[in-house]
Amino acid sequence: GAVVSQHPSRVICKSGTSVKIECRSLDFQATTMFWYRQFPKQSLMLMATSNEGSKATYEQGVEKDKFLINHASLTLSTLTVTSAHPEDSSFYICSARGQGAQTYNEQFFGPGTRLTVL
Amino acid sequence: LAKTTQPISMDSYEGQEVNITCSHNNIATNDYITWYQQFPSQGPRFIIQGYKTKVTNEVASLFIPADRKSSTLSLPRVSLSDTAVYYCLVGDIIGRNRDDKIIFGKGTRLHILP
Repeated sequence: GAVVSQHPSRVICKSGTSVKIECRSLDFQATTMFWYRQFPKQSLMLMATSNEGSKATYEQGVEKDKFLINHASLTLSTLTVTSAHPEDSSFYICSARGQGAQTYNEQFFGPGTRLTVL
Repeated sequence: LAKTTQPISMDSYEGQEVNITCSHNNIATNDYITWYQQFPSQGPRFIIQGYKTKVTNEVASLFIPADRKSSTLSLPRVSLSDTAVYYCLVGDIIGRNRDDKIIFGKGTRLHILP
């Protein structure tokens, strides 16, 4: 089956620093990648949608200058949390949809990245 | 996007069959129904997808009545490892809808007891 990896799986940083999270589709080309954020005991909240080679589309309320998304290739998307603060601490999950997908629901999810900002 | 409604939580015992029902009254003609499973601190995992009647795979069955306004995920003979959150989603065929994203509802927190 299709595999999506995320790196790092866990990161702890100081307030004010920037953190980059990588999302890779390992055995398929991802035409579209998505970034979600999930707080404890809550559902996944879509942050942004990105297509290879074009700018990401951010959901309402998500600051595009704070959460920089780069989808440079069909297998790699990165999320950079700039000037992170404790309230940015969360579980960040990426997903990817391949060229063979038939419905919008078909996404393969990464294992997630636990970000803790001190 | 069609909204989905699921029970917040369910408890069951090992070895039992578990049925989780999802309501999607505003489902569109071309929408498919997809279920995901999520364990704590992991990304969601695809379980099953269907359009109508019944779909079965090695993990679960999906029952969809004729009016398609609801669907039921059936997990046969659950074990402790099936304790997870289960999400029901509704989405269109690619290319027929400009809305490219899927939105997760609150999901159903299933707790399997020994």
